[in-house]
Amino acid sequence: DIQMTQSPSSLSASVGDRVTITCRASQDIVDSLNWYQQKAGRAPKLLIYDASRLQDGVPSRFSGSGSGTEFSLSISSLQPDDFATYYCQQSYISPPWTFGQGTKVEI
Amino acid sequence: EVQLLESGGGLVQPGGSLRLSCAASGFKFTDYAMSWVRQAPGKGLEWVAGISGHGGSTKYADAVKGRFTISRDSSTDTLHLHLSSLRADDTAIYYCAKDITVMPTIRGAYFDYWGQGTLVSVSS
Repeated sequence: DIQMTQSPSSLSASVGDRVTITCRASQDIVDSLNWYQQKAGRAPKLLIYDASRLQDGVPSRFSGSGSGTEFSLSISSLQPDDFATYYCQQSYISPPWTFGQGTKVEI
Repeated sequence: EVQLLESGGGLVQPGGSLRLSCAASGFKFTDYAMSWVRQAPGKGLEWVAGISGHGGSTKYADAVKGRFTISRDSSTDTLHLHLSSLRADDTAIYYCAKDITVMPTIRGAYFDYWGQGTLVSVSS
């Protein structure tokens, strides 16, 4: 199975900060990397697919980059609504689709 | 508007069985693969099983293979997950998720819609 490792596991930030989360794959997954946001008690929501493509309706302050084994999710100016847990997911080889362990963004 | 509504969760004893359902609406059900993804309390996301648009292809995570069965009913636009030989470590919120492709394991796929989840608790 492809292992996905996110860093950091959690971070503290303030409204207006730029935040970057990193996701590393255990092998080359080209650009088959997706990012989801999950708020407490809610279902995950797709933010970014194919490493850098913004899902419809997602604010442009979110961006994704990377290829191969190193990827990142950036939030250019953190808003109150962005405090949540973020997960990366590889879609290169399945089964299984695998997720990172999550990064909790908190105040 | 795409909607996915799970049901069927509850408390079950170890070794028991349960059937989860996910009622889908707002899209052509047979055009898209569907998956179940679970989340143990306080833990991350774990893909469990996937099924093709017409139901002819299924895939499972090793942790559930031989114990869980994914199926779908195109007459009612409903996705099912039959859970058997349940163990304590199967305790989780189970989400159904819509894929963007018709097959469950196509490279580059992702889940664009998720249900609200249903809780399965395995305990004596």
